[in-house]
Amino acid sequence: AQSVTQLDSQVPVFEEAPVELRCNYSSSVSVYLFWYVQYPNQGLQLLLKYLSGSTLVKGINGFEAEFNKSQTSFHLRKPSVHISDTAEYFCAVSDRGNTPLVFGKGTRLSVIA
Amino acid sequence: GAGVSQSPSNKVTEKGKDVELRCDPISGHTALYWYRQRLGQGLEFLIYFQGNSAPDKSGLPSDRFSAERTGESVSTLTIQRTQQEDSAVYLCASRRGGGGNYGYTFGSGTRLTVV
Repeated sequence: AQSVTQLDSQVPVFEEAPVELRCNYSSSVSVYLFWYVQYPNQGLQLLLKYLSGSTLVKGINGFEAEFNKSQTSFHLRKPSVHISDTAEYFCAVSDRGNTPLVFGKGTRLSVIA
Repeated sequence: GAGVSQSPSNKVTEKGKDVELRCDPISGHTALYWYRQRLGQGLEFLIYFQGNSAPDKSGLPSDRFSAERTGESVSTLTIQRTQQEDSAVYLCASRRGGGGNYGYTFGSGTRLTVV
């Protein structure tokens, strides 16, 4: 069974600083990878996804992620964060069939003014 | 509708009572998922419906949990004889097709508190 590890449960960062949220997955077969964001008291919103092709994926709100097959990683980055980026971020993986997404436990990003 | 709608948004129930949670997926989305999110935890898969196929119930934690979906429309998740450990946010998501390349659209969830 696939699993997703988000190495940091909480990441505090100052406003306008860069941030990287780490994600590693277990499967070695072809996968689809996703990052979701959850703002307080809201559902999850898709940030970006990797399906195939270029390993650098750009998403909404200035976020990007890089797929690294050899390291089975899909880290999320943003060069300059804003207060409004404070939220919970979830990494998820799916195989190329119909199996449900498997989520990591989430990383709480806190942006400090 | 424009998005995935879940009701109620909040539910407080007494231990031992049954509860029913509702999910209205996006029109035309054939796949529907239920997940559970406990405080400080990630999303735990519960059940998956794809069109008229038999549902994937592999994530249901006990026989107190069940879910139904009529065709490609509304789904209800029922928890019988609720326990305090059932307290969580229950999230529903729908997807356009069965292929893994489509992202999920999530509802805002139902926050269930068992007292």
